[in-house]
Amino acid sequence: EADIYQTPRYLVIGTGKKITLECSQTMGHDKMYWYQQDPGMELHLIHYSYGVNSTEKGDLSSESTVSRIRTEHFPLTLESARPSHTSQYLCASSERLNSEAFFGQGTRLTVV
Amino acid sequence: GDSVTQMEGPVTLSEEAFLTINCTYTATGYPSLFWYVQYPGEGLQLLLKATKADDKGSNKGFEATYRKETTSFHLEKGSVQVSDSAVYFCALLRSNDYKLSFGAGTTVTVRA
Repeated sequence: EADIYQTPRYLVIGTGKKITLECSQTMGHDKMYWYQQDPGMELHLIHYSYGVNSTEKGDLSSESTVSRIRTEHFPLTLESARPSHTSQYLCASSERLNSEAFFGQGTRLTVV
Repeated sequence: GDSVTQMEGPVTLSEEAFLTINCTYTATGYPSLFWYVQYPGEGLQLLLKATKADDKGSNKGFEATYRKETTSFHLEKGSVQVSDSAVYFCALLRSNDYKLSFGAGTTVTVRA
C-alpha cells in the first residue's frame, strides 16, 4: 500500500483565487510528479522533481508552479485560478529513477 | 521520443468474457512497461509491470507480456467481473529522462 496523500479531494473555487494543492508522501521517495487529467481521462505530465530543490516543467505547459523544499512534500500552486484550470490533478512518487510510480487519490478542482 | 499507443475504447463486455486491451510502444531502448488501473473517483493503481523483454507481469488475473519483436504489451484477462470496470492505462518509463508517459486510457465496462 502506497502512502501518498493529496488534499483536498475536491475543491470548488472562484475565478482569481490563489490555491495550493497539497501532496505528501511518507515513503522517502526522491522522484515526484504532478499530472493533469482531462475529462477524456488522458494524463499529462505538468511538473516533475528529482529531489529536494529540483523542479522541472513537464510535457504540458501549465500556469501552475511547484516547490520541493522537503522530500515528502510537493505542493502545486495556482496564483490566479481560471475556469480553464478545472481538471483532476494527480500527484505521484517513485523510489528510484527506473521504478514504478505510486499515485495519490487526486484533487478534483472546479473553478467557477 | 518514447511513447505508448493504446487501443481506444470504450469497451463493453459481459461478465466472464475475455478482455484484451492492446498497447504498443515506440522507444529507442528497452523501457520498463506498466499497466495502471483507475476506478471511478480514484487515483491510479499499479496493476502490473515488466522491466525487460519476455517478462510477464501478472496480478488479479490480469497478464501482460513484454514483446520486443512486436513492441507490444497487451493486457489480458480470461474472465472479467463487474468489479473490473475501470479505466486502464498503459505506460512506459522513458529511457532519456526516466519520466512516466501514459497512453490515452481505455474505459472498460463489464455488465452482469
